[in-house]
Parts: sequence; structure tokens; C-alpha cells
Amino acid sequence: RKEVEQDPGPFNVPEGATVAFNCTYSNSASQSFFWYRQDCRKEPKLLMSVYSSGNEDGRFTAQLNRASQYISLLIRDSKLSDSATYLCVVNYGQNFVFGPGTRLSVLP
Amino acid sequence: DVKVTQSSRYLVKRTGEKVFLECVQDMDHENMFWYRQDPGLGLRLIYFSYDVKMKEKGDIPEGYSVSREKKERFSLILESASTNQTSMYLCASSGQGAEADTQYFGPGTRLTVL
Repeated sequence: RKEVEQDPGPFNVPEGATVAFNCTYSNSASQSFFWYRQDCRKEPKLLMSVYSSGNEDGRFTAQLNRASQYISLLIRDSKLSDSATYLCVVNYGQNFVFGPGTRLSVLP
Repeated sequence: DVKVTQSSRYLVKRTGEKVFLECVQDMDHENMFWYRQDPGLGLRLIYFSYDVKMKEKGDIPEGYSVSREKKERFSLILESASTNQTSMYLCASSGQGAEADTQYFGPGTRLTVL
């Protein structure tokens, strides 16, 4: 079983839609959780950290469920510029484990 | 802004060649990482270093070695390149404490081994 699993997609949604991604992780010792964004042929960049209490940054909301070992990302009012691959990242100690990513295409 | 640079964006080598991939960061970060990224597999950690002259194996170190002689520079070495090492190679760095949570990536090197 992979340590971090994501639905690869693609998720094709119209502009203005709300879309949600989930990610599951297998290591219960995981300490920190993140969503990174990777544009086509570019490097990954941190989108947001994920806290146990949940956190919001504009149109983006991240949630963590430690009991079920999953992380979610909700994007409201999707923009064309949100089209990218979203990587779920789990950290324990100095080790970062990346999921394979979920591809999102926002269509006009 | 943190800047992580990699020596080449695209590289083509032949089987059996020795390949050097260089990574430099300008933020005085202690931690540096080398990943490879392949379709459907995501990023996989090859090696990382948390200090000068220190190195730790990641998940897939076989066929690779690294060198960290200076804090800002972390080199990945393919001693004898093979076709299954064709991939996108990404270098990253992070700081200490609270700054350890964020990894900053270089633009990547797309290596093709013929």
C-alpha cells in the first residue's frame, strides 16, 4: 500500500464550481500535512499547510482527520488559473512523503 | 524570495555515463533534498542532507550518490547512468524549526538516458 494516496483525476470542472480532493495516508506517526500545487512543467510550490482544526485561505479550505488518516482540499468558485496538479504531502521527522497528485482542469 | 537553482533544465546522456546534477540554494537552508518525479508515482526521495557533509538515504537511493561540500550546494551523482533513470529530477531545500515545514523546489532537470 502506498504511503500517500490520491485520486489522480483528472477532475474537469466548469469555472465557478466547487471541487474537493481527498488524500489518505498510512503512517499514523505523520506529524505535518500540506497541499502543494504543481503547474504543468513547473516545480511544486506550497499551497497551504493543513492543521487539525482546519484552515482556510481565501477560496481554499483544508481539513485534516487524524482518526481516519485523511486530508481534504476544497476549492470554491474555481478559476481557470486553478488548473494544476495538487499534491498531498505528509511529513514525519525530516521525511516528506508526496502523493502522486490530483490533476484539476477548470474549463471556461 | 528563496531561490533554488539547478544546473540544467534538460540533459541527454548515454547509458554508462557519469552524470552530475547540481543544485544551489541562496537562503542558507540547512536541509536539502533530491527527488525524482515519474508519472503516476509522484515525487520519490532519493537522498537528503541536513548539514554540510551529512547525507541520508531516501526511499530509492540505489544507483545514486550525493555530495554536500558546501551548505548551499547539493549534488546528485549517477555513477553509471541507466535508461531507468530517465526522469525529472527535483531539488528542494528547507530551513530549521518552523521553516523546516516548507520545501522550496528548483525548476527541475529533465534527464533522458539513451
